[in-house]
Amino acid sequence: DAKTTQPPSMDCAEGRAANLPCNHSTISGNEYVYWYRQIHSQGPQYIIHGLKNNETNEMASLIITEDRKSSTLILPHATLRDTAVYYCIVSDPNDYKLSFGAGTTVTVRA
Amino acid sequence: GAVVSQHPSWVICKSGTSVKIECRSLDFQATTMFWYRQFPKQSLMLMATSNEGSKATYEQGVEKDKFLINHASLTLSTLTVTSAHPEDSSFYICSATPFLGSYNEQFFGPGTRLTVL
Repeated sequence: DAKTTQPPSMDCAEGRAANLPCNHSTISGNEYVYWYRQIHSQGPQYIIHGLKNNETNEMASLIITEDRKSSTLILPHATLRDTAVYYCIVSDPNDYKLSFGAGTTVTVRA
Repeated sequence: GAVVSQHPSWVICKSGTSVKIECRSLDFQATTMFWYRQFPKQSLMLMATSNEGSKATYEQGVEKDKFLINHASLTLSTLTVTSAHPEDSSFYICSATPFLGSYNEQFFGPGTRLTVL
């Protein structure tokens, strides 16, 4: 059973912020939220992760709701190179296992 | 950032032959490495988890005698597809994690595309 639900696809205009939603209503207390992306025919790339606090790094921001049942990945200024499949994953870090769902195919348009 | 390489990046082989794929962590020691398989237009499926110096743990439905995994050192894991058949054609991706801490940020290789004729 999938632990996360993401929209299958979304478009974004170049230079605008891209907000990618993810539902994880069955997340348990020790599970983190991870975001990865996969550009076509490449290996996935780690973006960001969080437990309950909002996180920001040079690539993106992660906003996690207070009840931890959903989160949003924000790409602040999308570029054409951000076109990829984005995966939201919940995982217990002690398992080291990442279960990839279908993800969201994000297309950034000029 | 941490870099993981794979070799070869692509391989074409005849049915019935064996193919070895190498996964190396170039600038860190990987206590754990993972092997994934991805068919066209599908998501990644975890095949097995390997820890240095011990036997790999295979996911349900993955034939351990067909997909041999060796994690001989902290920087190298190999996947050997034995007696390959056309249905084994896929994109094979490895990942490695250096941490034993509270999160599992994994670094992925660029993948190996296997085509079995």
